[in-house]
Amino acid sequence: EAGVTQFPSHSVIEKGQTVTLRCDPISGHDNLYWYRRVMGKEIKFLLHFVKESKQDESGMPNNRFLAERTGGTYSTLKVQPAELEDSGVYFCASSQEARGYSPLHFGNGTRLTVT
Amino acid sequence: EDKVVQSPLSLVVHEGDTVTLNCSYEVTNFRSLLWYKQEKKAPTFLFMLTSSGIEKKSGRLSSILDKKELFSILNITATQTGDSAVYLCAATTGTASKLTFGTGTRLQVTL
Repeated sequence: EAGVTQFPSHSVIEKGQTVTLRCDPISGHDNLYWYRRVMGKEIKFLLHFVKESKQDESGMPNNRFLAERTGGTYSTLKVQPAELEDSGVYFCASSQEARGYSPLHFGNGTRLTVT
Repeated sequence: EDKVVQSPLSLVVHEGDTVTLNCSYEVTNFRSLLWYKQEKKAPTFLFMLTSSGIEKKSGRLSSILDKKELFSILNITATQTGDSAVYLCAATTGTASKLTFGTGTRLQVTL
């Protein structure tokens, strides 16, 4: 079974530019999540999709971040325009069930560096 | 606000030692506690605990949850260099699917 895959693995952009991160969840997992770890801090929740619908986006930091999940399959997370504080590792995860009933499986993450 | 605290922040042990990692939580409407191991990239799932007092075991790793005292421990016996990693603890609630993570314990096992 293929795991959660994320692309790219690393992105370096200048402040003000746009970046789009992609996540392909495990096949059959309706629940898809985005998390972020900034330097020295804990991994923090950004949002949760159930199929193509946003179930919880309470962790999204501001309106420069836009997440989509077309057709309930892969998801993209766009940052526009990027700021220095957006630097960090962005993790995607997927699970079969929600609400703590089944574990989340994480991708390798995308390391975003904004200069 | 939901909170998960791990201790110690880091430790260095010799191969063959036994280690205990701690995780305490304050989470509204708690559902489950999860342990992950993160080496270089993806956190990999170790255990999911929902009931108090029932030990989960996988090889040299084991974990237990105490829902009265709101903590969990992860034990690793006969440590090996391959156990070197950051161990993450996270809690979930029954009302939302998001994980609340601790900052992790960095374990280094030396020869």
